[in-house]
Amino acid sequence: GQNIDQPTEMTATEGAIVQINCTYQTSGFNGLFWYQQHAGEAPTFLSYNVLDGLEEKGRFSSFLSRSKGYSYLLLKELQMKDSASYLCAVSDSNYQLIWGAGTKLIIKP
Amino acid sequence: DGGITQSPKYLFRKEGQNVTLSCEQNLNHDAMYWYRQDPGQGLRLIYYSQIVNDFQKGDIAEGYSVSREKKESFPLTVTSAQKNPTAFYLCASSPSTGTGANVLTFGAGSRLTVL
Repeated sequence: GQNIDQPTEMTATEGAIVQINCTYQTSGFNGLFWYQQHAGEAPTFLSYNVLDGLEEKGRFSSFLSRSKGYSYLLLKELQMKDSASYLCAVSDSNYQLIWGAGTKLIIKP
Repeated sequence: DGGITQSPKYLFRKEGQNVTLSCEQNLNHDAMYWYRQDPGQGLRLIYYSQIVNDFQKGDIAEGYSVSREKKESFPLTVTSAQKNPTAFYLCASSPSTGTGANVLTFGAGSRLTVL
């Protein structure tokens, strides 16, 4: 079966760094995607990885290891506005997104 | 500004009633999607359409219907056959091909509650 696993909830301190992990087992792989979703709002696209390695976008970076079926999203210099759910999704062999349940990130002052 | 507009934002339905959720986009995207989001679960695909006058069932299509008569519009009808329709519904669109097909732009969502 197809499965995406990520922690349900994480807590971090303003100004710190947090790493949100995502592991996956899917039928085929055409990329791993990260979306941010604030409570009650729509998800917004953050980043994607197709090849192994680190992609950096300002305070956010995303890493992929295809051999390990593993990715992480790294958030630096955390701000209160980063409090949100972070959704990991994998594009399968048919280019359909398989979604994880999301990680709720709580930022404390 | 280009984007996706969903309406209504909140909707209450009595059991046995059909309701239609509107989704309009002006991004000139070929593909459109309907997802359902429930607490503690990942987004689940209801229906998707890659071209006008054509659409495919997703993982949980039972009790739902869609149409794609115009490129800009992809309304979702939640029928009385859907046994547990209370949920947050998200409409999305994307370019139809390549990796860009998975970079979705979402609407603000419609929250349906069955009374």
